[in-house]
Amino acid sequence: SQELEQSPQSLIVQEGKNLTINCTSSKTLYGLYWYKQKYGEGLIFLMMLQKGGEEKSHEKITAKLDEKKQQSSLHITASQPSHAGIYLCGAVGGSQGNLIFGKGTKLSVKP
Amino acid sequence: KAGVTQTPRYLIKTRGQQVTLSCSPISGHRSVSWYQQTPGQGLQFLFEYFSETQRNKGNFPGRFSGRQFSNSRSEMNVSTLELGDSALYLCASSLGSPYSNQPQHFGDGTRLSIL
Repeated sequence: SQELEQSPQSLIVQEGKNLTINCTSSKTLYGLYWYKQKYGEGLIFLMMLQKGGEEKSHEKITAKLDEKKQQSSLHITASQPSHAGIYLCGAVGGSQGNLIFGKGTKLSVKP
Repeated sequence: KAGVTQTPRYLIKTRGQQVTLSCSPISGHRSVSWYQQTPGQGLQFLFEYFSETQRNKGNFPGRFSGRQFSNSRSEMNVSTLELGDSALYLCASSLGSPYSNQPQHFGDGTRLSIL
């Protein structure tokens, strides 16, 4: 079955700095979702990417799906404390056609 | 538009008991999925319901079951609770299945602790 690997596992950045989180799939991606989770809470939908080369932005967050559709990156520009949380990528890849998720990247932003 | 609502938010049970968790999806969403989240295993798929029918089921024992009602609200039940069942249980709703590329929207989860 398909697996999603996220890197790095955790990240600490100074407020105002840019950062990138990667999600690599063991198989071709047919839809890639990015979510953000605050500790102990639910997942907040950020973006969905479908086509190779597709890039989407929301406020200061940009996500891209590479041409080969096996890797996605999430880039945050000028990070703020409000960006802190766990970022998870998800894709259709389970044996039952369900969503599978990476283990997440924990982001801390120091004021 | 109200989001996905899960109740209760927190629950403490002892081994051997059973528990029922509830999920009210976003209005108009007919697909409801359940996930278990633990620090070690991350997010794992439990099952998905669409129009009162279970469409998909993850690799969990039969102690985990669910159902969906005609108004799309869903419940999941865990019987004979074990210590390893302690987790955050998340419900997500969407307009269609994951293959239809409709994003899933999550509730805040139910934190289940087994003593």
